[in-house]
Amino acid sequence: AQKVTQAQTEISVVEKEDVTLDCVYETRDTTYYLFWYKQPPSGELVFLIRRNSFDEQNEISGRYSWNFQKSTSSFNFTITASQVVDSAVYFCALRITSGGYNKLIFGAGTRLAVHP
Amino acid sequence: NAGVTQTPKFQVLKTGQSMTLQCAQDMNHEYMSWYRQDPGMGLRLIHYSVGAGITDQGEVPNGYNVSRSTTEDFPLRLLSAAPSQTSVYFCASRKTGPNYGYTFGSGTRLTVV
Repeated sequence: AQKVTQAQTEISVVEKEDVTLDCVYETRDTTYYLFWYKQPPSGELVFLIRRNSFDEQNEISGRYSWNFQKSTSSFNFTITASQVVDSAVYFCALRITSGGYNKLIFGAGTRLAVHP
Repeated sequence: NAGVTQTPKFQVLKTGQSMTLQCAQDMNHEYMSWYRQDPGMGLRLIHYSVGAGITDQGEVPNGYNVSRSTTEDFPLRLLSAAPSQTSVYFCASRKTGPNYGYTFGSGTRLTVV
C-alpha cells in the first residue's frame, strides 16, 4: 500500500508550547518526495516544505523544523514556541510514481489549535 | 502571475444538476490535477493531466469528467450532481520533473442539496 498516516486528528496547545505533528508513510518507491502543507481557517493550502527520499538531513526554518527518518518511515513536523497564528490544519503528503506519472497522496490532516 | 485560479469559490447545486468547476493557471505548468477534500479524509485525487490532450483518473473519478484542451485550463465537470459530491475542490498544478512543487488554487466549496 502507498499511504500517509497522520494519527493525530486534533492537537490543542497553549501559546509558547512546542508541538510535534506526526507523519508516517508507506511506499514501495525508492525515490519519493514528502511534503507538508498548512491550511489556515481561510481554506487555502500553503506549501511548507518538500523533502526527497535521498535527503535525510533535518531542516529548520524559523520556528518550524522537520525530522525525516527513513528507518521508521516518518516525517515529523515540530513547531517551537507555538503562536495563535499557527492554528490550522496541517497535511503531510507523499509524491509517488504510479502508472508512469507522479501522484500526490495526502494524509487525513491534523488540526492544531493554539490557545492564548 | 495569478498562479492557479479557481472559479467559482462557492456553489450550491440541486441533485441532478450539472456544472463545471473552472481551473486556470498562467505558469505554463504541464501537470494539473483536481482533488476533493472531505472531513477526516485529507485530499483525494479525482483526475489529473500531464499535458494538453492527456488526462487520467485518480483515486475517486466516478461522477466527474475532465478535459485538457489547452495547457492553461483544466475544467472539472459534474454531469449529474449528487449529495455525495458535496466537498471542497482544489485544483493544483506544477511543472513536470522531480524538483518542482505543487501550486494549489484557493478552492471551490460545493454543496449539493
